Amino acid sequence: NAGVMQNPRHLVRRRGQEARLRCSPVKGHSHVYWYRQLPEEGLKFMVYLQKENIIDESGMPKERFSAEFPKEGPSILRIQQVVRGDSAAYFCASSPGTGGGRYDEQFFGPGTRLTVL
Amino acid sequence: KQEVTQIPAALSVPEGENLVLNCSFTDSAIYNLQWFRQDPGKGLTSLLLIQSSQREQTSGRLNASLDKSSGRSTLYIAASQPGDSATYLCAVRLNAGNNRKLIWGLGTSLAVNP
Repeated sequence: NAGVMQNPRHLVRRRGQEARLRCSPVKGHSHVYWYRQLPEEGLKFMVYLQKENIIDESGMPKERFSAEFPKEGPSILRIQQVVRGDSAAYFCASSPGTGGGRYDEQFFGPGTRLTVL
Repeated sequence: KQEVTQIPAALSVPEGENLVLNCSFTDSAIYNLQWFRQDPGKGLTSLLLIQSSQREQTSGRLNASLDKSSGRSTLYIAASQPGDSATYLCAVRLNAGNNRKLIWGLGTSLAVNP
């Protein structure tokens, strides 16, 4: 079974451009989470999605950032008009989501490292 | 506000030593706690998950304990090997239901020297 897939692994954008980060969860997982790791800082929660629904976006910046998890296809984290402060590693995780216990365990992808020039 | 602290920030040990990594959290009302491993430039690998009702979990040479009342968890690594060199992160989830965000410590950077 493939784990969580993220692409691209590395993304370079100039200030003002858009960045689109993709995440394919573990097969059968219906819950997706996005986290950001800024240089020299810990991981911070951004958003939690289920298919076609945003469940918790309390960690998302108010502007320029959006996320979706459509019925078909990967989850997308979109950053519009990127700035240098957006440079970070963005990690996606997935979980089965139902049943409690180990069904809550989050499995992480390799991350996308975004560099804004 | 939940805060997660990991001590020490860095640790260097000779191969073969048993070692303990510490994680503390300020709000004892957690739902579960996970230990992860992060290799440089790589993603995170889940090592152990402890539910709030559990006291410990074991996987191979790893043993994680949880003391909710004191807000502490430890990760014990037996007979350390150079391949264990990585950053170890602990993360807590606060509530059941739809609040699934993980609150993270800054990690312990472990170097096991041959």
